[in-house]
Amino acid sequence: DTAVSQTPKYLVTQMGNDKSIKCEQNLGHDTMYWYKQDSKKFLKIMFSYNNKELIINETVPNRFSPKSPDKAHLNLHINSLELGDSAVYFCASSQGRGGRETQYFGPGTRLLVL
Amino acid sequence: SQQGEEDPQALSIQEGENATMNCSYKTSINNLQWYRQNSGRGLVHLILIRSNEREKHSGRLRVTLDTSKKSSSLLITASRAADTASYFCATAVNYGGSQGNLIFGKGTKLSVKP
Repeated sequence: DTAVSQTPKYLVTQMGNDKSIKCEQNLGHDTMYWYKQDSKKFLKIMFSYNNKELIINETVPNRFSPKSPDKAHLNLHINSLELGDSAVYFCASSQGRGGRETQYFGPGTRLLVL
Repeated sequence: SQQGEEDPQALSIQEGENATMNCSYKTSINNLQWYRQNSGRGLVHLILIRSNEREKHSGRLRVTLDTSKKSSSLLITASRAADTASYFCATAVNYGGSQGNLIFGKGTKLSVKP
């Protein structure tokens, strides 16, 4: 029983395309996150949602748009993909808001933009 | 600049030896967390230590926190080949624009040779 799941695991696409990554958590957590990990393993938060409400939106191009249909799901849509978007994207969840609680991570989506 | 910085960047030891990794940070924190990431996988939470705690244990793991020096250490005793992974510290800051975020360091890559 996967706690935080992401689909797809791998995504290879051409520059300029639009793609979506889906995330679901079955932990009953209130808060979900999207992180980006670059080729140097640097992990940086992109967005955070609490009970479907956006609470953190770091400096991310507006080509990235998160959507939370319910508190168990947080999807990430990316428009007009660029080469620099190639990275591993991790979804995570926690019971409370922010960094005050343990976060549970999904397995990651490896995005390669050609 | 980065909130959390791990040291060393890479560590190679023999099975059975102890491994010590350090993390330094810059601003006041609510807590500090350590995560492990196996190659190609998501992050797994190891330990959370709050700002009013000085030491915490979990199995073969020992974490210390020195808020006066703004530093933490993770000690893995009697290491095993299965401990081979990247280890990240993450800090939950108390104030400012990043309040509520969990800010990750760049990680220490640990290699345990059998």
